[in-house]
Amino acid sequence: DAGITQSPRHKVTETGTPVTLRCHQTENHRYMYWYRQDPGHGLRLIHYSYGVKDTDKGEVSDGYSVSRSKTEDFLLTLESATSSQTSVYFCAIKEELSDTQYFGPGTRLTVL
Amino acid sequence: AQTVTQSQPEMSVQEAETVTLSCTYDTSENNYYLFWYKQPPSRQMILVIRQEAYKQQNATENRFSVNFQKAAKSFSLKISDSQLGDTAMYFCAFMKLKSNDYKLSFGAGTTVTVRA
Repeated sequence: DAGITQSPRHKVTETGTPVTLRCHQTENHRYMYWYRQDPGHGLRLIHYSYGVKDTDKGEVSDGYSVSRSKTEDFLLTLESATSSQTSVYFCAIKEELSDTQYFGPGTRLTVL
Repeated sequence: AQTVTQSQPEMSVQEAETVTLSCTYDTSENNYYLFWYKQPPSRQMILVIRQEAYKQQNATENRFSVNFQKAAKSFSLKISDSQLGDTAMYFCAFMKLKSNDYKLSFGAGTTVTVRA
């Protein structure tokens, strides 16, 4: 357990509504990541952060934005949710000494 | 993104037996890390083992070991003395070190079922 929590753990929403997922860490890690998991694709990187207010895109960033106003929180926002964004979303931190990523418990998002 | 291929979508093994999961990757980099993660039905992603490319010695963690063949770009995972709790999806992942973003590229996963 790397002290990572995600909220909410489950969410059902409707197409066109905004959604924000929160990732919270307690150990002051610099790097944080958002991935989505879909059948047949493994996990794919959406966005990542390398410090407060420092973020960059991953391979599937369209339709998503992120913010990191303090070290412990990394927010993922779907500006206008679509059914193709139905997925399981994982947050991860990178441990500095080992360069190993550890994951939160995941959020299952369903967009109807 | 780097390409990571897991060619076995599903595998089944008898309890106490050994199973080997394959993973190949495509890269022109020399410095990188490779990982195996386990995802049981609880959905939690759990680190199984980590290999640094500059180390020739294969990593081992209890019943889990890897066969790292750098020239062949192959990174297989062996689970010995399989237990029912090993039932999970297993993901191979690649991390390039040069770019300083430490992003992971994942394979599509292999579902392992351990039979009693």
